[in-house]
Amino acid sequence: DTEVTQTPKHLVMGMTNKKSLKCEQHMGHRAMYWYKQKAKKPPELMFVYSYEKLSINESVPSRFSPECPNSSLLNLHLHALQPEDSALYLCASSQDPGLGNYGYTFGSGTRLTVV
Amino acid sequence: AQSVTQPDIHITVSEGASLELRCNYSYGATPYLFWYVQSPGQGLQLLLKYFSGDTLVQGIKGFEAEFKRSQSSFNLRKPSVHWSDAAEYFCAVGAKSGGGADGLTFGKGTHLIIQP
Repeated sequence: DTEVTQTPKHLVMGMTNKKSLKCEQHMGHRAMYWYKQKAKKPPELMFVYSYEKLSINESVPSRFSPECPNSSLLNLHLHALQPEDSALYLCASSQDPGLGNYGYTFGSGTRLTVV
Repeated sequence: AQSVTQPDIHITVSEGASLELRCNYSYGATPYLFWYVQSPGQGLQLLLKYFSGDTLVQGIKGFEAEFKRSQSSFNLRKPSVHWSDAAEYFCAVGAKSGGGADGLTFGKGTHLIIQP
């Protein structure tokens, strides 16, 4: 299995809703990431988990809350979002380069629309 | 901090012609370098990557890239493009730090248009 799987593929939520994005990989990668991509822009890093511990938080608003339940799963909990949070949310995973081939794989993303 | 510059926002190429997309990076040491392709509404697909060793890297779909340390460049090439190559192309750089948990920094992307 060489994929990163993200669910759902599309999500529409109101500003008072609570929802979660899910990401799963079975490549044995020990680093997992959330990126946000606005239309016609490059992806921007939000969070990094390394060995299931949050190692980087790029000053993301608290209405986004990441969680890494185990080495294969990564969640992004959403609460009280704003319309400007509408974007493509990408999950990625990577292998420690010290272990050999440095794989850095992205999922196909969740298209989030906040209404 | 690392940075990536893709000087060309749009490039138009005739089908069957050769292609070169430019990428320049800024980083204090030898970085990890990547090229990704993204079709509309899709995620990122890895075309190729460079970590060390041979500076000419072969990727999928007939793409290759050459790492030139003296020019801080990692340009993407393809000898003959197909209409299906029309997409957004991103160059990205990652830092060589311990643990391997590094966010990538992306260039702004190059939009490739293929004309018949």
